[in-house]
Amino acid sequence: AQSVTQLGSHVSVSEGALVLLRCNYSSSVPPYLFWYVQYPNQGLQLLLKYTSAATLVKGINGFEAEFKKSETSFHLTKPSAHMSDAAEYFCAVSDEGSQGNLIFGKGTKLSVKP
Amino acid sequence: SQTIHQWPATLVQPVGSPLSLECTVEGTSNPNLYWYRQAAGRGLQLLFYSVGIGQISSEVPQNLSASRPQDRQFILSSKKLLLSDSGFYLCAWTRSHSGNTIYFGEGSWLTVV
Repeated sequence: AQSVTQLGSHVSVSEGALVLLRCNYSSSVPPYLFWYVQYPNQGLQLLLKYTSAATLVKGINGFEAEFKKSETSFHLTKPSAHMSDAAEYFCAVSDEGSQGNLIFGKGTKLSVKP
Repeated sequence: SQTIHQWPATLVQPVGSPLSLECTVEGTSNPNLYWYRQAAGRGLQLLFYSVGIGQISSEVPQNLSASRPQDRQFILSSKKLLLSDSGFYLCAWTRSHSGNTIYFGEGSWLTVV
């Protein structure tokens, strides 16, 4: 069965610093992988999605993620954090046994200090 | 373009009272529909999903139920709310193929008092 592990429930960075949010997955088939962002009191919004076309995926707001099969990882990065990046981030993997369901990690809350 | 709406946005209900949260999707047909719950510090929990009218799959046992009376309508209900039902409820949809993006509604805050 697939699963997603996000290392670190809280990450704090200074404005302008590198953002690195970690995600590891397990899947017995080539996975589809997603990163979503949730701003306070809002629904989740898609940041980016890996579908095997390219291992480095660029998303919205300057975020990108690299699929590394050997490490079963899909870490999210951004070179320079902005205050507006403060939010909760969720990694997800497609559920191979269903029609479109996603399995989500527990989320990482990103704080950005001025 | 497709849109998803859920309501009400905020709800405060006494213990033992009924619940009805509604979700509708526009601009697509035969979507997969989902209800998720977020409780503080517990991430996203899938409650129900539906691949068609009248077809409901429950992921966790609880005192909630879901119904899909129309193709693009998904309703979350309870006959008697518990304190533990408090949380942020999210409706979502996707096209019924693995790997498709799931799109979320704005969410509904439920506080059971």
